[in-house]
Order: sequence, then C-alpha cells, then structure tokens
Amino acid sequence: KQEVTQIPAALSVPEGENLVLNCSFTDSAIYNLQWFRQDPGKGLTSLLLIQSSQREQTSGRLNASLDKSSGRSTLYIAASQPGDSATYLCAVPGGNDYKLSFGAGTTVTVRA
Amino acid sequence: DAGVTQSPTHLIKTRGQQVTLRCSPKSGHDTVSWYQQALGQGPQFIFQYYEEEERQRGNFPDRFSGHQFPNYSSELNVNALLLGDSALYLCASSSDRVEDTGELFFGEGSRLTVL
Repeated sequence: KQEVTQIPAALSVPEGENLVLNCSFTDSAIYNLQWFRQDPGKGLTSLLLIQSSQREQTSGRLNASLDKSSGRSTLYIAASQPGDSATYLCAVPGGNDYKLSFGAGTTVTVRA
Repeated sequence: DAGVTQSPTHLIKTRGQQVTLRCSPKSGHDTVSWYQQALGQGPQFIFQYYEEEERQRGNFPDRFSGHQFPNYSSELNVNALLLGDSALYLCASSSDRVEDTGELFFGEGSRLTVL
C-alpha cells in the first residue's frame, strides 16, 4: 500500500524567501509523481508532473525533483510571493494502481 | 477549452438521504476518477471510470456508486448518508491514451454537508 508523507505540515516565510517542500513515498514502483496546489475550499490545480524517467521538471519559479530509488520528491518555489500562500500536495500512483495516493499537504503562508 | 466542471458546488442533506454529484471531464479526456477530501486531509480515492466501467475502487462502502456516460461525463451517488460523509468531493479527469502523460486535472469540487 502506497503511503505518502509531506514535511513540514505548515510553513510560514517572509516574501522573497525560497520555499522547499518535501514529499516521501513508500512504494518506489511509480510511473509518475504530481504536485498540486489547493486554495482554501477549492479544487486542486496541477503544478507539475514528473515522469518516472525524469529527475526534475521546471515551470516558471517552480522546480520539482524526483529520486525514485529513495522515494522522495522536493518542490522548490523561488522568490516566494503572498499569492503563493496555499496548500501544496504531492500524489503518486502505487505499483499497478490507477489511483493516486496523496499526502496531507504542506500549508504555506508567505508574509508580505 | 473548458476544464473539469462539477455540480452542484455546495449542497446540504440530512442523514439517510441520497445525493448525486455530477462531473464533466476536460475536453479530450476519457477517464474520470472521484475523490473524497475531509477537512485538513489529502484526497482519498473512491473509484475510477473508464469506457463506462468501474475500473478500480478504493476502500469505500457500497453506498458509494457511480456511473460514466458515453460522452465520458460521470455521476457519483451516495445512499443512506451519514454525518461522516460530509466532505469535499473532487472529480478528476485524465486521458488513457498511450501518447498522453496521464496527468490528472481536477474540478472545483462539490462541498457536501450532512446534518
């Protein structure tokens, strides 16, 4: 059974600081990993998808790395802004699963 | 290009009632998954539909059922509602085509409150 852990659970930083969000998973037989953003009471917005053959993926100020063998992914957000305040979730499929297993998320607050 | 759309956005029911939630997938997607998200937790997989069949089911009781229509839209039905069914219900769509990445796109969710 795939278990996903996200550390820290919450993070508060001043504007301009870089953010580092961690995700670990127990079953390394994954074919991709996806990072999402969720604003309070809203749905999930896909940020980045990394295929199992990739080591990292970049989109603007966001960069996600993947180390399958150690079961870890890290999301970096450069030069944080108050608009980056949200909950960030990582999700992975497990083995032959079609379903995604999610972590509980990291809630980020960027102070102006 | 319309993304994933869900209806209704909010609804209130009482214990024992039944509810139907609806989802239209992103254009070009053929696979629909449903997730339940309790407050402060990550989404939990309910089931996935592909080619109008339930392809995989999570750890949810038979009170949760679904359907996928020929146009790929989907419904989630929950019978005999319990207080614990109060949650945000999220629909996600993806493409099962080999050339696509399998990236999931989510709707805004349906917030169900059971009194």
